[in-house]
Amino acid sequence: DIVMTQTPLSSPVTLGQPASISCRSSQSLVHSDGNTYLSWLQQRPGQPPRLLIYKISNRFSGVPDRFSGSGAGTDFTLKISRVEAEDVGVYYCTQATQFPITFGQGTRLEIK
Amino acid sequence: EVQLVQSGAEVKKPGESLKISCKGSGYSFTSYWIGWVRQMPGKGLEWMGIIYPGDSDTRYSPSFQGQVTISADKSISTAYLQWSSLKASDTAMYYCAREWLTWGQGTLVTVSS
Repeated sequence: DIVMTQTPLSSPVTLGQPASISCRSSQSLVHSDGNTYLSWLQQRPGQPPRLLIYKISNRFSGVPDRFSGSGAGTDFTLKISRVEAEDVGVYYCTQATQFPITFGQGTRLEIK
Repeated sequence: EVQLVQSGAEVKKPGESLKISCKGSGYSFTSYWIGWVRQMPGKGLEWMGIIYPGDSDTRYSPSFQGQVTISADKSISTAYLQWSSLKASDTAMYYCAREWLTWGQGTLVTVSS
């Protein structure tokens, strides 16, 4: 199984400041079709998860442009350019390049 | 509007069976994988398995293989997750998701004697 490791596990951030979450996979996430199936999910308190970013850097419909994804191979990053109060929650990276699909442990974003 | 609507919360006793559902609407149900995700209280997301309703191709996480059964009835655009014998450790929120694009609201399953 591909292991997804996120850092940090907790991130206190001041409103209006940037935030960054890293995700490392135990093996390359490049699929044989050339795509890299690395996504980022956000789970606000008491809510189901929602898709933010797919295939490393593509923002899903309705996701604010302060969210961006980058990376390649085994190292990926989610950045929030200016944190807002509604961004509080837990963020997960997930890979679907290879079954079984796996998630990172989650990173809790909180406001200082 | 694309939606996944899950069945309501369940309270069961250990050893009982259960089948929860996830009904899709607003899209071609047979054209997208539907996955199931477990979230135990206060914990992270765990991928359980996935089904392609178009041909019923199903894959399981090794952690859940043999513990649950995933199925779908494309005639009513509904996917299912079932247990034959519940354990207290199955207490969790269960989400269905259409290829991460759309998520159900979750079904809380509580197993207690």
